[in-house]
Amino acid sequence: DIQLTQSPSFLSASVGDRVTITCRASQGISSYLAWYQQKPGKAPKLLIYAASTLQSGVPSRFSGSGSGTEFTLTISSLQPEDFATYYCQQLNSYAVTFGGGTKVEIK
Amino acid sequence: EVLLLDSGGDLVQPGGSLRLSCAASGFTFSTYAMSWVRQAPGKGLEWVSAISGSGGSTYYADSVKGRFTISRDNSKNTLHLLMNSLRAEDTAVYYCAKLIYRGYDRRVDSWGQGTLVTVSS
Repeated sequence: DIQLTQSPSFLSASVGDRVTITCRASQGISSYLAWYQQKPGKAPKLLIYAASTLQSGVPSRFSGSGSGTEFTLTISSLQPEDFATYYCQQLNSYAVTFGGGTKVEIK
Repeated sequence: EVLLLDSGGDLVQPGGSLRLSCAASGFTFSTYAMSWVRQAPGKGLEWVSAISGSGGSTYYADSVKGRFTISRDNSKNTLHLLMNSLRAEDTAVYYCAKLIYRGYDRRVDSWGQGTLVTVSS
């Protein structure tokens, strides 16, 4: 099984900060990686797919990059509504896996 | 508009069984693979199972293999998850999810609202 390691698991930041979250895969997954945002009590929301494609309706301050085994999600200027937990997901096959999550909290 | 309505969650004793359902609308159900994803209280997302659009191929996480069975009824636009031999560690909110697999375009583009399964005596 392909394992995904996200870092950091917790991040404290201020409104306006640039934030970067990293996701490392245990083996190469090409660009079959997606990023999701989840708020408490809600289903996850798709932000990025194919490693760097912005989902329709998602603000342009979100961006993704990487391929193979190392990927990043960047929020260029953190907004109050961005405080949430973020997950990466590999879709190399139907047997997908998720990273452990990164909780972004207000400093 | 795509809608996924999860149902069937309940309190069940260890060793018991439960069947979850997901009613889909707003898209051609039979042409999309579907999946179940769960989230234990205070924990991260865990993929549980997936099924191809035709239902001919199924996939399971090691943690549920041999105990859970995913199925679909394309005539009724419904996805199911039959859960047997339930354990305390199966306690979670279960989400159904619509998958897109088209070349490099692979994602979960829609989620159900989730249904809570609690395994406890």
